[in-house]
Amino acid sequence: RKEVEQDPGPFNVPEGATVAFNCTYSNSASQSFFWYRQDCRKEPKLLMSVYSSGNEDGRFTAQLNRASQYISLLIRDSKLSDSATYLCAVITTGNQFYFGTGTSLTVIP
Amino acid sequence: ETGVTQSPTHLIKTRGQQVTLRCSSQSGHNTVSWYQQALGQGPQFIFQYYREEENGRGNFPPRFSGLQFPNYSSELNVNALELDDSALYLCASSRESQNEKLFFGSGTQLSVL
Repeated sequence: RKEVEQDPGPFNVPEGATVAFNCTYSNSASQSFFWYRQDCRKEPKLLMSVYSSGNEDGRFTAQLNRASQYISLLIRDSKLSDSATYLCAVITTGNQFYFGTGTSLTVIP
Repeated sequence: ETGVTQSPTHLIKTRGQQVTLRCSSQSGHNTVSWYQQALGQGPQFIFQYYREEENGRGNFPPRFSGLQFPNYSSELNVNALELDDSALYLCASSRESQNEKLFFGSGTQLSVL
């Protein structure tokens, strides 16, 4: 079983739409959780950390559900510039990062 | 820009050859991690170096090896290249106490023919 699993998509949404991604993790001892954004074969860039209380950064909201072992990312009022691959990442014991396969988002004019 | 630089940006090798990839970490960062990202996949952890010592390793064979130098720059060496080694190799640096904040370089695209 993979440490982190994501629906690869693709998600094709119109501008202005709200879209949500989920990611599940297998290790209940996982310590830290993140969403990264990756543009076409470029390096991943940290989008936001995910906290148990949930956190928001502008149009982006991230949430963690420890009981069900999943994290989510909500993007409101999608922009064309949001088109990218979104990777969830988890730090488990031993300080190892595990990334999901990524979810592809295309925002359509 | 993250300040993490990798070289070369692209590389073509043939099966059985050896390759060395290089990474300069961001100023003030003493930890370097290497990841392999195959097409359509997420980055897979290869290993991490902290203060010139290997500090964690993913599920990669011994022909993947590395070094970290006193200035915290790092090398990834891959021996006996296989076709499946074709991937984007990403280096990420971080501070010792902020291991969660990874800053990635732009990667080296390796093609094995």
